This record gives sequence, C-alpha cells and structure tokens, in this order.
Amino acid sequence: QSALTQFASVSGSPGQSITISCTGTSNDVGSYNLVSWYQQYPGKAPKLIIYEVNKRPSGVSHRFSGSKSGNTASLTISGLQAEDEADYYCCSSTDTTFIVFGEGTKLTVL
Amino acid sequence: EVQLVESGGDLVQPGGSLRLSCAASGFTFSNYWMFWVRQVPGKGLVWVSRIDNAGSRTSYADSVKGRFTISRDNAKNTLYLEMNTLRSEDTGVYYCARYGDYVTGFQHWGQGTLVTVSS
Repeated sequence: QSALTQFASVSGSPGQSITISCTGTSNDVGSYNLVSWYQQYPGKAPKLIIYEVNKRPSGVSHRFSGSKSGNTASLTISGLQAEDEADYYCCSSTDTTFIVFGEGTKLTVL
Repeated sequence: EVQLVESGGDLVQPGGSLRLSCAASGFTFSNYWMFWVRQVPGKGLVWVSRIDNAGSRTSYADSVKGRFTISRDNAKNTLYLEMNTLRSEDTGVYYCARYGDYVTGFQHWGQGTLVTVSS
C-alpha cells in the first residue's frame, strides 16, 4: 500500500487561507469517509485535527476544515496564523491494510 | 486525563530484537483497541500494528508481518510490541496511540520512543 500523495510543501501569509490536498485511490480515500488529518510540530507527537473527512475534535479551532471529492481529500486552514506552521498528514482507511497515511505537507507561514 | 508513555527504544544491531512498552493511564485500558505507529525521523507516519481490547485480534503492516508481535496486559494497563529480526528500515520513533471516544482518529498519542537499527 503506497502512501497517500501530498505536496511536500505549501506556504501562505498570515490571514490567508490555504488548502492541503491528499490524493489516494478508489481503494482508500475514494471508498471511505474515514479520512483524518494530523498536525505535527517538530519533535512532538501528531495531533488529530479532522476526522471522518470534516469533523473537528473538541478543542480544535474552527479555522480548520476538511472535505473530500472523489479520491482526493482536502484540509483548509483559514485565517492563517504563525502557530499553524507545522507538518500536516492525512490518513485514510483502505481496502488492503488497515489504514494508510499521506506523505506529509510542510506548511510555512510567511 | 489520558496518558500513554512509551519505553524500550534503543540502539540495536540488524537482526536483533527489542520489546517496546506503552503504559496507559487515565482511562479504562481494557475497553479500547490500541495501535502502534512508526515515524522515521524527518519522514512520514506509518501504521505498524493494532490489537483489539481483549488482545485476541491483531493485525500488522506487511512490512513487519512475521517479525513483530503486538500484545497487551490489561491487568497492567500496558501495550507491548515485540520486535524481532530488526532491519535498518525499522528505525524510527514508535508511538502508541488510541482513538478518541466516538472519534475515528488517533486522538491520543504517547511521546514516542526511538528505535535505531544500525551496526
């Protein structure tokens, strides 16, 4: 099972909105509404920010939102803040292995 | 408060063995499936293994199948990962993780323990 495809990096200025995409196949993202997103700071454990495509766990900012179309899931961060600078990983259930993670996207806030 | 604390990571030679532990607290451990996730430093996350709440059902990533064994001791609130025939590509930080309540995602993570496989 190959990792889900994410662009290696994305950047934006404070206050802007950015979208991180996560492309899989009909065997994972396209078949399941079990896509989650994780934020990770260097040297820290990942933090769940979106689950089941578009649901936010308690305590996660409303600036984070998720969506899915076909085999591609997306994470949008609105009103970008300096503290959003981190790595972001998508994750999906799959037909083959239990789950598969994305390659990760490094967000830089300019 | 849910707490997961991993231990057991070390430098080990290729072909060697290691056992990781994850001590859980702040919740009823025996009610939850538990998971191991690996991260090569500077790289992405990879799911390694999972075990049901009773310890009777397990599954593994293809890359570790036949070499790693996940287990748990519900009386000790502890999750284990027995790692045998280690390879350089097994190097990474190993996290134990748990889904949230009614949340299908890894909402709870430990701090991770570093396994380095090198001669």
